[in-house]
Amino acid sequence: NAGVTQTPKFQVLKTGQSMTLQCAQDMNHEYMSWYRQDPGMGLRLIHYSVGAGITDQGEVPNGYNVSRSTTEDFPLRLLSAAPSQTSVYFCASSYRGRAYEQYFGPGTRLTVT
Amino acid sequence: DAKTTQPTSMDCAEGRAANLPCNHSTISGNEYVYWYRQIHSQGPQYIIHGLKNNETNEMASLIITEDRKSSTLILPHATLRDTAVYYCIVRGLWNAGNMLTFGGGTRLMVKP
Repeated sequence: NAGVTQTPKFQVLKTGQSMTLQCAQDMNHEYMSWYRQDPGMGLRLIHYSVGAGITDQGEVPNGYNVSRSTTEDFPLRLLSAAPSQTSVYFCASSYRGRAYEQYFGPGTRLTVT
Repeated sequence: DAKTTQPTSMDCAEGRAANLPCNHSTISGNEYVYWYRQIHSQGPQYIIHGLKNNETNEMASLIITEDRKSSTLILPHATLRDTAVYYCIVRGLWNAGNMLTFGGGTRLMVKP
């Protein structure tokens, strides 16, 4: 199993640009989530999904969109990048019955100039 | 979620047991103790969790006191790769929308 994969690993955007961060998992997990982690800070939940076709907002959803058309994929779209979105983005997945045991991807380091 | 208190940092010699304490004196009866760690620049990693009995898995052991007000995560034979920040989290049953909220954590440095 590849586990949770994220692409790209690094990205630099200019203010106002849009892009999509990709996340995929091959463990057939029902739950998937996106977090951001700012330097020296903890994780903040952006959006999450409990299954294909179902998404919901987390703590900091503004400026981001998600969709979940398949169990495997959960892309995160930045609509109009702002410097405040400079962060490390982590995707995570888990089984419905073991939601506490989240598997994280390697992260995408995004810089918005 | 109950508040947790962990030491800011600890050192451990390679090959020795690392014992990481966590105080959670306000824990309620239906709250579990979860441990995660984050190795530098990587995503967090689930380690273990427990309610009131001691637990062991391939990564670590979790010892919870009888009154459940504190617990200790034990890495039996620490290696350099165990150098990370370890987070103790106390909460009830974990649902999809639950944030993975970390406190300060303990920065464990395993030294040769």
